[in-house]
Amino acid sequence: KNEVEQSPQNLTAQEGEFITINCSYSVGISALHWLQQHPGGGIVSLFMLSSGKKKHGRLIATINIQEKHSSLHITASHPRDSAVYICAVRWPETSGSRLTFGEGTQLTVNP
Amino acid sequence: DGGITQSPKYLFRKEGQNVTLSCEQNLNHDAMYWYRQDPGQGLRLIYYSQIVNDFQKGDIAEGYSVSREKKESFPLTVTSAQKNPTAFYLCASSIRGGYADEAFFGQGTRLTVV
Repeated sequence: KNEVEQSPQNLTAQEGEFITINCSYSVGISALHWLQQHPGGGIVSLFMLSSGKKKHGRLIATINIQEKHSSLHITASHPRDSAVYICAVRWPETSGSRLTFGEGTQLTVNP
Repeated sequence: DGGITQSPKYLFRKEGQNVTLSCEQNLNHDAMYWYRQDPGQGLRLIYYSQIVNDFQKGDIAEGYSVSREKKESFPLTVTSAQKNPTAFYLCASSIRGGYADEAFFGQGTRLTVV
């Protein structure tokens, strides 16, 4: 069974801390997404990557294809970063190129 | 601005009633998706459509129905056959449903059945 696992499930940090959220998957993928879900429920796509590293502001996403692992880093965290962060992957063999999602990591950044 | 619009944001229905959730996109995307989110679980695919007048069942299609009569619209009906319909429903789209396509999401509809 193709699986996506995220860790940790919950993460509490102090403002300014460096944060890392991890995502592991069971078999080779065609693309991996990092998503952000705010308390209202809407989801925003942060990154889509299939290799290497991407950076946007204070957010950095990396992926190691050989180890089937990706990380999302947040530098100089801020209370407004508090949200659920979700890893999602596309398996090349599935029809419709649909996404399989991890359970999410609830991040709380305290001032 | 282009995007995906889901309505309503909150929906209450009595048990046994069918209810339709709206999803509209003005991104000119071919592929559209419906996901369900329950506490402590990842999003699960209900239905998806890669082209007008065609759609496929996802992992948890039982008790749901969809239509894709127009490119920009992909409504989801939660029927009385769905045993546990209370959940958060998310609509998404991508340009062609290809492997490298970015996914765009709506703001979701929270359905409560009483």
